Amino acid sequence: QVQLVESGGGFVKPGGSLRLSCVASGFSFSNYYMSWIRQAPGKGLEWISFISSTSPYTNYADSVKGRFTISRDNAKNSLYLQMNTLRAEDTAVYYCARDRSGVPFDYWGRGTLVTVSS
Amino acid sequence: QFVLTQPPSVSAAPGQKVTISCSGSSSNIGNNYVSWYQQLPGTAPKLLIYENNQRPSGIPDRFSGSKSGTSATLDITGLQSGDEADYYCGSWDTSLNAGRVFGGGTKLTVL
Repeated sequence: QVQLVESGGGFVKPGGSLRLSCVASGFSFSNYYMSWIRQAPGKGLEWISFISSTSPYTNYADSVKGRFTISRDNAKNSLYLQMNTLRAEDTAVYYCARDRSGVPFDYWGRGTLVTVSS
Repeated sequence: QFVLTQPPSVSAAPGQKVTISCSGSSSNIGNNYVSWYQQLPGTAPKLLIYENNQRPSGIPDRFSGSKSGTSATLDITGLQSGDEADYYCGSWDTSLNAGRVFGGGTKLTVL
């Protein structure tokens, strides 16, 4: 069965960095786009980035562009999100999700919490 | 704040039908597919509807979606207490910075 497991969340001070990981299993990871989506406490969903399956095509929401970098290692079935210059408003649960044309976000991980506070 | 507009809350009694609306524009819903997600308390979202009106396997036919112009709706019939959750619509937006967009979410209360 399809599984996505995020890790790497934690507590960080404003201006700091974190790297999130998402390990996929149960499907051919290299054939799928992948996305990161976040949810601030008590708030709605915000898509923040996606990456294409094999070519290095990426896109970002304006709120994270220039600070966050998405990447993947298909040999390790892994997706990453490097987050730099973190701000208090980046505090959220970060989900990775499988993404494909017409069927976006058909599988989600359980999320990892990132807290940015001084 | 959110590109797609949803009502903050809806409510109905068990067994009744509820409709959740999602309003957008020509740069998103008007020219792209709509998907819907259910988020039960304390859990990750789950895909309910894709390509406007298609259900993934395992989603009961009590859930249905439709789209007209720049708006979409999610209908839930035969409401059950277990349907109490937050519901989000999503689409692709082709404005200045193309990417996925969501509505702000609708809290469904089963009375």
